[in-house]
Amino acid sequence: DAMVIQNPRYQVTQFGKPVTLSCSQTLNHNVMYWYQQKSSQAPKLLFHYYDKDFNNEADTPDNFQSRRPNTSFCFLDIRSPGLGDAAMYLCATSPRQGLARVQYFGPGTRLTVT
Amino acid sequence: QKEVEQNSGPLSVPEGAIASLNCTYSDRGSQSFFWYRQYSGKSPELIMFIYSNGDKEDGRFTAQLNKASQYVSLLIRDSQPSDSATYLCAVNTSGRGGSNYKLTFGKGTLLTVNP
Repeated sequence: DAMVIQNPRYQVTQFGKPVTLSCSQTLNHNVMYWYQQKSSQAPKLLFHYYDKDFNNEADTPDNFQSRRPNTSFCFLDIRSPGLGDAAMYLCATSPRQGLARVQYFGPGTRLTVT
Repeated sequence: QKEVEQNSGPLSVPEGAIASLNCTYSDRGSQSFFWYRQYSGKSPELIMFIYSNGDKEDGRFTAQLNKASQYVSLLIRDSQPSDSATYLCAVNTSGRGGSNYKLTFGKGTLLTVNP
């Protein structure tokens, strides 16, 4: 089945220790997104790729970086995690065609910072 | 700033009743509207989307859109305990190029269906 896969599902890191989260998709979608979601809050868009074009949200901290080496994979790098970065990180994809611009989410990675 | 507003709830309904979830949005240029269901600790799951004024039905779910009033709703008929979750309303933002692919999410409404 075509899907969006995120690894790992749970990640524990220490304060200030770099961490990388990964996302892969078999949907062959052109657009990929990274969201941060904290408890009882709306998903917050960090950045998205339209093909290889990188789009950073204005309020995304510099501590967060992303890479998309090919259509299928996208990575989220947190260079120096702080306690406030503990959250669920969601990857989503969307096809370029179609009026609806539907986004399909992966299962998420729960990040804990100790 | 483009906003999507939802009543945070909790909205509590008895099993078998109709649950009505509401959402308003500020961007008049928005074209597509989405309802996602999110169980606690899980990722959002698409229930349905709508982009034309009126009603769209899919099984027990009906989405209603009124662009003039900037209002979108989701009705869940014959509510089941398994429908208990947070329902996120999302709106496609207007704009050029890459910004046209972004969604603005509401904070969600927590629905509890009591057996």
